[in-house]
Amino acid sequence: EVQLVESGGGLVQPGGSLRLSCAGSGFTFSNYWMSWVRQAPGKGLEWVANIKQDGSEKYYVDSVKGRFTISRDNAKNSLYLQMNSLRAEDTAVYYCAGGGYSGSSPLVYWGQGTLVTVSS
Amino acid sequence: QSALTQPASVSGSPGQSITISCTGTSSDVGAYTYVSWYQQHPGKAPKLMIYDVNNRPSGVSNRFSGSKSGNTASLTISGLQAEDEADYYCSSYTSSSTQVFGTGTKVTVL
Repeated sequence: EVQLVESGGGLVQPGGSLRLSCAGSGFTFSNYWMSWVRQAPGKGLEWVANIKQDGSEKYYVDSVKGRFTISRDNAKNSLYLQMNSLRAEDTAVYYCAGGGYSGSSPLVYWGQGTLVTVSS
Repeated sequence: QSALTQPASVSGSPGQSITISCTGTSSDVGAYTYVSWYQQHPGKAPKLMIYDVNNRPSGVSNRFSGSKSGNTASLTISGLQAEDEADYYCSSYTSSSTQVFGTGTKVTVL
């Protein structure tokens, strides 16, 4: 059974940092592009970033460029999102997703999400 | 990187067909066949329903179908059922090598 399990969410003050993790199992993690998608409370989905199988390509939505960094460790079947200079508008459930062979691939596998709240 | 435009809500009676539109630009929906549709029930993770405009993943009902014309993609749900009541989001690959989601559509089964 394919599983993606996010962790690392929580309450952080504006300007602070947080590192999200996503552990994959039940599939060959290293074969696929992986992404982070977020959803603010009561709002729609927003694609945040993705990373190629070997980490050599990374892409970000404009609103997080320079503040967020996506990375992966294929030996640990894990995906990460380092979030710095956090703002109130970054408050959301963050989903780990992936399962495609290219950056244009659909998001086949999804985790259950981890909530990040940015507030003083 | 503006969100794709979807109607806020669509409704239909059981057994009817409904169609949800997804309008983008020549830099995303109009440029590629990489349009996907996701279903999300309250409090749950999204689920892939359609990929590459009109392909269904294994296990997804054939009542769901997709199409595209120019900068607008569409999702049709035929034989509407109570379990289809959910939020639906389109997404597209973009010329910036990113992905973008639609604004989301709430489907109500009357």
